[in-house]
Parts: sequence; structure tokens; C-alpha cells
Amino acid sequence: GQNIDQPTEMTATEGAIVQINCTYQTSGFNGLFWYQQHAGEAPTFLSYNVLDGLEEKGRFSSFLSRSKGYSYLLLKELQMKDSASYLCAAVNQAGTALIFGKGTTLSVSS
Amino acid sequence: EPEVTQTPSHQVTQMGQEVILRCVPISNHLYFYWYRQILGQKVEFLVSFYNNEISEKSEIFDDQFSVERPDGSNFTLKIRSTKLEDSAMYFCASSAPDRTDEQFFGPGTRLTVL
Repeated sequence: GQNIDQPTEMTATEGAIVQINCTYQTSGFNGLFWYQQHAGEAPTFLSYNVLDGLEEKGRFSSFLSRSKGYSYLLLKELQMKDSASYLCAAVNQAGTALIFGKGTTLSVSS
Repeated sequence: EPEVTQTPSHQVTQMGQEVILRCVPISNHLYFYWYRQILGQKVEFLVSFYNNEISEKSEIFDDQFSVERPDGSNFTLKIRSTKLEDSAMYFCASSAPDRTDEQFFGPGTRLTVL
């Protein structure tokens, strides 16, 4: 079976740091994506991890542990525009499909 | 920056009618996908397409669904006989020949079945 778990909602204040966790159980694995989705819009790519470790890209970083089936997205220096849903998605073994979690809705307040 | 485009942005149809949703993937991409997202729910994989054939499809992609690449630029999703539960946002995505995993999403078509 395939299962992606992430918290439903999180709140934070401007300037803060927030970590969004994701655990996955998939039959075959070929990497993990994080996407950002604003309400009514398409998902936009944030990061991709296929090897264990931390990938840093500006204010956003993503971490993967394949042995633990665990990833997190770290957002630093939060801004109001970061209020959105953050989608964790595992790539299947063949690389032919993304299996999404339900998304974590992040609300950033001033 | 190249982007995936989709038309129409919103389609309203009667139950039982056929609809065709259209997508123009990024021009040098070779892998194409359809996903759907029912309001308030997660993004769900429907089908992936490569080299003019389906690579993989989910349980959702039953006989009422079909995909086609009718020419060198368009990629379509057809729903033969729409049901109320087909109401959703349908996203097309594409990925490059050397990065099969990084998928770029179009803006979506909101399908409303009455």
C-alpha cells in the first residue's frame, strides 16, 4: 500500500521558523517532493530529495531519511505570502507517478 | 519561463455528457501526467503517458477516462460520461527527458458536473 502522512494544519508568525514533517510508506520509492499550493492554484515545485540528507534552497530546506521513511520541509524567516498548503509527494519506483499527502495548511500571522 | 497551459480554465457540464480537457505541456518535455483534486482533498494521480502510450494509471482511471496526444503539442483527457463525483480540479503536468521526476503543473481546469 501507499500512505503519506503530514499534519493537517500549522500556524506560525512572521519571521519565525517552521518545520513540516512527512512520513511515507510506499511500495517502491524513487524520491520525495515538496510542493507549495495556494488556494485555487496549481502545485508549484519547492524541492526534491532522493538521497538522505538536507537540501537547502534559500529560505526553504528539505530533509530526507529513507531508512525512516521520513522527510521534513523547513521554512525560515516566514513571510505572510508563505501562507499556503505544503504537499509532500513520494515518487513511485518507476518514476511514473507522484503520490501526494493531504497537505499541511500553514497560516502565517503578523 | 516555459509553462504548462490548460484549457478551459472552468468547464461546466451535465451529468452523462462527455468532456475533453486540454493541456499543452512544456515543449521539450516527454512525460505527461493527469492529476485531479476534489475540493478540499488531496491531489490524486490519474495517469502518466510516455512515447504515445500510458505508462501507469491509478484505480480512479477507469474505462470512462482516456488520454490522447493528438498532435505534437496537445495532451488531452477525455471523460466519456461524466458523473457528479467527477467534479474536481484537473491538473496536467509534464517532465523533461532528463528529469523524469520533476513534474511541472499547469494551472488546472475546474470541472463542475451538474
